[in-house]
Amino acid sequence: EVQLVQSGAEVKKPGESLKISCKGSGYSFTSYWIGWVRQMPGKGLEWMGIIYPDDSDTRYSPSFQGQVTISADKSITTAYLQWSSLKASDTAMYYCARGPTSSYFNYWGQGTLVTVSS
Amino acid sequence: QSVLTQPPSASGTPGQRVTISCSGSSSNIGSNYVHWYQQFPGTAPKLLIYRNNQRPSGVPDRFSGSKSGTSASLAISGLRSEDEADYYCAAWDDSLSGVVFGGGTKLTVL
Repeated sequence: EVQLVQSGAEVKKPGESLKISCKGSGYSFTSYWIGWVRQMPGKGLEWMGIIYPDDSDTRYSPSFQGQVTISADKSITTAYLQWSSLKASDTAMYYCARGPTSSYFNYWGQGTLVTVSS
Repeated sequence: QSVLTQPPSASGTPGQRVTISCSGSSSNIGSNYVHWYQQFPGTAPKLLIYRNNQRPSGVPDRFSGSKSGTSASLAISGLRSEDEADYYCAAWDDSLSGVVFGGGTKLTVL
């Protein structure tokens, strides 16, 4: 069974760093794209970027380029999304998802809620 | 402001057929596949339609997708109360080199 299990909810202060994770299981981790999608409170879905774990080929949405870093460790079948300096506007639910291609996702993680507040 | 344009809301009565539109441009819908996701409150999105009109296993055939030019549509026939959810279209955008989503449509079953 394909599963993407994300790390737990986080509460951080502005300026702090954060790395959230997404562990894949039940499939060949290096053969599928893993992407990240942001959903701000009460808002729609926003595509942040994707990574191909086999060679770490990474693409970012222009809106998120330079704001976050997407990475993957294929030895432990885990993808990551990280921030070096959080802002209050980063408060959102973040989903990881797996795609057979880079253009759509057929399996999703349960989401990680990130709250940034002073 | 989303790159793909969807109506913010749609509604229908049980048994009816409803359609949700998704309008884009030549750099996204006009040259790439369209995909649709369903999301219930408090849960992760679920793939509903991929590559314009393909249904993943387990998705009822009441759901169908179509594309023409720079627009796409999701149709739900035999509407049921459990179809009440948010629906999002998505497509790869060649200009942005990434996926763009529609703003989402909240479907209400009256």
